[in-house]
Amino acid sequence: SQQGEEDPQALSIQEGENATMNCSYKTSINNLQWYRQNSGRGLVHLILIRSNEREKHSGRLRVTLDTSKKSSSLLITASRAADTASYFCATDIYPGEYGNKLVFGAGTILRVKS
Amino acid sequence: DTGVSQDPRHKITKRGQNVTFRCDPISEHNRLYWYRQTLGQGPEFLTYFQNEAQLEKSRLLSDRFSAERPKGSFSTLEIQRTEQGDSAMYLCASSIGGIETQYFGPGTRLLVL
Repeated sequence: SQQGEEDPQALSIQEGENATMNCSYKTSINNLQWYRQNSGRGLVHLILIRSNEREKHSGRLRVTLDTSKKSSSLLITASRAADTASYFCATDIYPGEYGNKLVFGAGTILRVKS
Repeated sequence: DTGVSQDPRHKITKRGQNVTFRCDPISEHNRLYWYRQTLGQGPEFLTYFQNEAQLEKSRLLSDRFSAERPKGSFSTLEIQRTEQGDSAMYLCASSIGGIETQYFGPGTRLLVL
Protein backbone atom coordinates (compact mmCIF):
# COMPACT_ATOMS: atom_id res chain seq x y z
CA SER A 1 0.00 0.00 0.00
CA GLN A 2 1.15 3.55 -0.62
CA GLN A 3 1.40 5.90 2.30
CA GLY A 4 1.62 9.17 0.45
CA GLU A 5 -1.15 10.82 -1.46
CA GLU A 6 -0.55 13.71 -3.80
CA ASP A 7 -3.12 16.35 -4.51
CA PRO A 8 -4.21 17.27 -7.11
CA GLN A 9 -3.93 14.21 -9.33
CA ALA A 10 -3.48 16.48 -12.34
CA LEU A 11 -2.70 20.15 -12.81
CA SER A 12 -2.67 22.23 -15.98
CA ILE A 13 -1.25 25.77 -15.95
CA GLN A 14 0.13 28.38 -18.29
CA GLU A 15 3.84 28.98 -18.62
CA GLY A 16 4.98 31.54 -16.08
CA GLU A 17 2.38 30.63 -13.48
CA ASN A 18 3.19 28.93 -10.19
CA ALA A 19 2.32 25.29 -9.55
CA THR A 20 1.58 23.91 -6.10
CA MET A 21 1.36 20.22 -5.32
CA ASN A 22 0.51 18.73 -1.96
CA CYS A 23 1.42 15.46 -0.32
CA SER A 24 -0.09 13.83 2.74
CA TYR A 25 1.29 10.81 4.56
CA LYS A 26 0.28 8.60 7.45
CA THR A 27 3.20 7.65 9.69
CA SER A 28 6.23 9.33 11.25
CA ILE A 29 9.07 9.93 8.85
CA ASN A 30 12.82 10.54 8.78
CA ASN A 31 12.59 12.66 5.67
CA LEU A 32 10.42 13.40 2.66
CA GLN A 33 11.73 13.61 -0.89
CA TRP A 34 10.21 14.99 -4.06
CA TYR A 35 10.97 13.46 -7.44
CA ARG A 36 10.10 14.33 -11.02
CA GLN A 37 9.47 11.78 -13.75
CA ASN A 38 9.19 12.56 -17.41
CA SER A 39 7.01 10.18 -19.39
CA GLY A 40 8.51 6.70 -19.49
CA ARG A 41 11.75 7.75 -17.84
CA GLY A 42 13.46 7.30 -14.48
CA LEU A 43 12.96 9.52 -11.48
CA VAL A 44 14.96 12.69 -10.99
CA HIS A 45 15.55 13.78 -7.42
CA LEU A 46 14.40 17.33 -6.73
CA ILE A 47 14.73 17.99 -3.03
CA LEU A 48 14.97 16.25 0.33
CA ILE A 49 13.53 17.79 3.48
CA ARG A 50 14.27 16.24 6.87
CA SER A 51 11.69 15.79 9.59
CA ASN A 52 13.24 18.59 11.69
CA GLU A 53 13.10 21.08 8.80
CA ARG A 54 10.08 23.18 7.90
CA GLU A 55 11.03 24.76 4.60
CA LYS A 56 13.64 24.29 1.92
CA HIS A 57 14.45 26.04 -1.33
CA SER A 58 16.25 24.94 -4.46
CA GLY A 59 16.19 27.29 -7.43
CA ARG A 60 12.54 27.69 -8.45
CA LEU A 61 11.44 25.01 -6.01
CA ARG A 62 10.13 25.57 -2.52
CA VAL A 63 9.17 22.68 -0.28
CA THR A 64 7.42 22.90 3.06
CA LEU A 65 6.89 20.19 5.64
CA ASP A 66 4.34 20.16 8.45
CA THR A 67 4.93 17.05 10.54
CA SER A 68 2.00 17.85 12.84
CA LYS A 69 -0.35 17.65 9.85
CA LYS A 70 1.72 14.98 8.11
CA SER A 71 1.79 17.00 4.94
CA SER A 72 4.19 18.62 2.51
CA SER A 73 3.87 20.96 -0.42
CA LEU A 74 6.00 21.57 -3.50
CA LEU A 75 5.84 24.97 -5.13
CA ILE A 76 7.33 25.51 -8.58
CA THR A 77 7.55 29.20 -9.40
CA ALA A 78 7.58 30.73 -12.87
CA SER A 79 6.82 27.39 -14.50
CA ARG A 80 8.21 26.41 -17.89
CA ALA A 81 7.02 23.97 -20.52
CA ALA A 82 9.99 21.77 -19.56
CA ASP A 83 8.46 21.34 -16.08
CA THR A 84 5.74 19.18 -17.63
CA ALA A 85 6.11 15.83 -15.84
CA SER A 86 4.77 13.68 -13.03
CA TYR A 87 5.80 14.70 -9.54
CA PHE A 88 6.02 12.24 -6.66
CA CYS A 89 6.55 12.64 -2.97
CA ALA A 90 8.29 9.81 -1.18
CA THR A 91 8.59 9.27 2.54
CA ASP A 92 11.36 7.53 4.40
CA ILE A 93 9.50 5.93 7.26
CA TYR A 94 10.78 6.31 10.82
CA PRO A 95 12.28 4.40 12.49
CA GLY A 96 12.99 2.06 9.59
CA GLU A 97 14.51 -1.13 10.86
CA TYR A 98 17.36 -1.04 8.40
CA GLY A 99 16.02 1.71 6.35
CA ASN A 100 15.37 3.42 4.30
CA LYS A 101 12.96 2.29 1.68
CA LEU A 102 10.89 5.05 0.16
CA VAL A 103 7.11 4.90 0.07
CA PHE A 104 5.69 6.82 -2.87
CA GLY A 105 2.36 8.39 -3.58
CA ALA A 106 0.56 8.04 -6.92
CA GLY A 107 1.90 11.37 -8.14
CA THR A 108 0.63 14.63 -9.60
CA ILE A 109 0.70 15.06 -13.37
CA LEU A 110 1.71 18.62 -14.19
CA ARG A 111 1.18 20.07 -17.63
CA VAL A 112 2.61 23.49 -18.41
CA LYS A 113 1.18 25.05 -21.55
CA SER A 114 3.29 27.43 -23.58
CA ASP B 1 22.02 11.24 -15.96
CA THR B 2 22.08 10.36 -12.25
CA GLY B 3 25.04 7.99 -12.52
CA VAL B 4 22.90 4.89 -11.95
CA SER B 5 22.63 2.73 -15.04
CA GLN B 6 20.29 -0.13 -15.85
CA ASP B 7 20.36 -2.73 -18.57
CA PRO B 8 18.41 -3.51 -20.65
CA ARG B 9 16.19 -0.47 -20.98
CA HIS B 10 13.40 -2.49 -22.56
CA LYS B 11 12.57 -6.18 -22.48
CA ILE B 12 9.77 -8.04 -24.21
CA THR B 13 9.32 -11.66 -23.25
CA LYS B 14 6.77 -14.41 -23.45
CA ARG B 15 4.93 -15.65 -20.42
CA GLY B 16 6.84 -18.40 -18.68
CA GLN B 17 10.31 -17.19 -19.71
CA ASN B 18 12.97 -16.04 -17.28
CA VAL B 19 14.40 -12.53 -17.43
CA THR B 20 17.33 -10.86 -15.69
CA PHE B 21 17.96 -7.17 -15.22
CA ARG B 22 21.16 -5.45 -14.17
CA CYS B 23 21.75 -2.30 -12.17
CA ASP B 24 25.04 -0.46 -11.75
CA PRO B 25 24.84 2.02 -8.87
CA ILE B 26 26.95 5.09 -8.25
CA SER B 27 30.32 3.60 -7.34
CA GLU B 28 30.69 4.84 -3.75
CA HIS B 29 27.09 4.05 -2.79
CA ASN B 30 26.75 1.13 -0.41
CA ARG B 31 22.96 0.94 -0.54
CA LEU B 32 21.02 -0.33 -3.52
CA TYR B 33 17.24 -0.54 -3.89
CA TRP B 34 14.88 -2.14 -6.39
CA TYR B 35 11.39 -0.71 -7.01
CA ARG B 36 8.60 -1.62 -9.40
CA GLN B 37 6.29 0.89 -11.04
CA THR B 38 3.09 0.15 -12.90
CA LEU B 39 1.30 2.58 -15.16
CA GLY B 40 -0.22 5.53 -13.36
CA GLN B 41 1.25 4.58 -9.98
CA GLY B 42 4.25 5.55 -7.94
CA PRO B 43 7.14 3.13 -7.50
CA GLU B 44 6.76 0.35 -4.93
CA PHE B 45 9.65 -1.02 -2.92
CA LEU B 46 10.82 -4.54 -3.75
CA THR B 47 14.12 -5.14 -2.00
CA TYR B 48 17.22 -3.47 -0.60
CA PHE B 49 20.93 -4.24 -0.20
CA GLN B 50 23.57 -2.80 2.03
CA ASN B 51 26.82 -3.74 0.36
CA GLU B 52 26.29 -7.41 -0.60
CA ALA B 53 23.73 -8.20 2.09
CA GLN B 54 20.07 -8.28 1.14
CA LEU B 55 18.44 -6.81 4.22
CA GLU B 56 14.77 -6.46 3.38
CA LYS B 57 12.30 -7.90 0.91
CA SER B 58 8.79 -6.70 0.23
CA ARG B 59 5.83 -9.04 0.26
CA LEU B 60 5.51 -8.03 -3.39
CA LEU B 61 8.62 -10.09 -4.08
CA SER B 62 7.25 -13.56 -4.71
CA ASP B 63 9.37 -16.70 -4.83
CA ARG B 64 9.77 -16.17 -8.57
CA PHE B 65 11.85 -13.06 -7.92
CA SER B 66 15.45 -13.16 -6.78
CA ALA B 67 17.98 -10.39 -6.42
CA GLU B 68 21.72 -10.48 -5.85
CA ARG B 69 24.54 -8.07 -5.29
CA PRO B 70 27.49 -10.46 -5.17
CA LYS B 71 30.40 -8.08 -4.66
CA GLY B 72 28.55 -5.12 -3.25
CA SER B 73 28.71 -3.33 -6.57
CA PHE B 74 26.23 -4.11 -9.37
CA SER B 75 23.00 -5.96 -8.71
CA THR B 76 20.81 -8.31 -10.72
CA LEU B 77 17.08 -8.92 -10.45
CA GLU B 78 15.79 -12.16 -11.94
CA ILE B 79 12.19 -13.05 -12.56
CA GLN B 80 11.48 -16.71 -13.23
CA ARG B 81 8.43 -18.00 -15.07
CA THR B 82 7.23 -14.51 -15.94
CA GLU B 83 3.55 -13.70 -15.80
CA GLN B 84 1.63 -10.92 -17.53
CA GLY B 85 1.21 -9.22 -14.18
CA ASP B 86 4.97 -8.76 -14.01
CA SER B 87 4.77 -6.19 -16.80
CA ALA B 88 6.05 -2.97 -15.25
CA MET B 89 8.97 -0.58 -15.04
CA TYR B 90 11.71 -1.93 -12.76
CA LEU B 91 13.70 0.85 -11.16
CA CYS B 92 16.99 0.69 -9.33
CA ALA B 93 18.24 3.34 -6.92
CA SER B 94 21.35 3.81 -4.84
CA SER B 95 22.34 5.95 -1.89
CA ILE B 96 25.47 6.61 0.09
CA GLY B 97 23.91 5.68 3.39
CA GLY B 98 20.75 5.66 5.37
CA ILE B 99 18.35 8.55 5.45
CA GLU B 100 19.94 10.04 2.37
CA THR B 101 18.91 10.88 -1.15
CA GLN B 102 18.24 7.90 -3.39
CA TYR B 103 19.35 8.33 -6.99
CA PHE B 104 17.36 6.41 -9.56
CA GLY B 105 18.40 4.79 -12.80
CA PRO B 106 16.40 5.09 -16.04
CA GLY B 107 14.55 1.84 -15.39
CA THR B 108 13.94 -1.35 -17.32
CA ARG B 109 10.52 -1.58 -18.91
CA LEU B 110 9.31 -5.18 -19.01
CA LEU B 111 6.44 -6.37 -21.19
CA VAL B 112 5.27 -9.93 -20.75
CA LEU B 113 3.16 -11.22 -23.64
